Amino acid sequence: NAGVTQTPKFQVLKTGQSMTLQCAQDMNHEYMSWYRQDPGMGLRLIHYSVGAGITDQGEVPNGYNVSRSTTEDFPLRLLSAAPSQTSVYFCASSYSDRVKAFFGQGTRLTVV
Amino acid sequence: GESVGLHLPTLSVQEGDNSIINCAYSNSASDYFIWYKQESGKGPQFIIDIRSNMDKRQGQRVTVLLNKTVKHLSLQIAATQPGDSAVYFCAENIAGTASKLTFGTGTRLQVTL
Repeated sequence: NAGVTQTPKFQVLKTGQSMTLQCAQDMNHEYMSWYRQDPGMGLRLIHYSVGAGITDQGEVPNGYNVSRSTTEDFPLRLLSAAPSQTSVYFCASSYSDRVKAFFGQGTRLTVV
Repeated sequence: GESVGLHLPTLSVQEGDNSIINCAYSNSASDYFIWYKQESGKGPQFIIDIRSNMDKRQGQRVTVLLNKTVKHLSLQIAATQPGDSAVYFCAENIAGTASKLTFGTGTRLQVTL
């Protein structure tokens, strides 16, 4: 049982490049979210989805796009990478509202 | 490598002692709370949760206490072990906000032998 799988684990981008962080879950969870974690700031919500075809913005959405075409996958796209997007990114899923969320292992992104 | 900052509050506890990690939450409308454990280089791992209609909930070696009057949450770990060394986060959720979690900044627990 894989749970929440994120790829890649590490990535270095140049300023202005675009890329997609992948997230997949095999638990048939409806709710999926993306967070970023910066030193001393805990995790902050970027975007979330309550089901296939439905997405919404979180606390820090600027510079990121998401889509949810299937229940399993929730990719996060960086349109034009900036050094301020250097962070560790976590994807999470849960089967419902107000229940525990399961997190992936994270993607460490560095933008130079 | 480190996945969180170097300036987190740190709690040092001797192996075998009890640990108490505190968290103040900000939103009085929050009605669901979770404690997560994060080891270096890994994602947050669920420990225990509590809903606002409860004051206390116990798990295996862990207890969460909720004081809604002062908006305070605590995590108690009994007989702390070296494997408990990690960063601990509390997270809050407001009913009807689609599982959106707001995280605290975390506390680093160091277990000394």
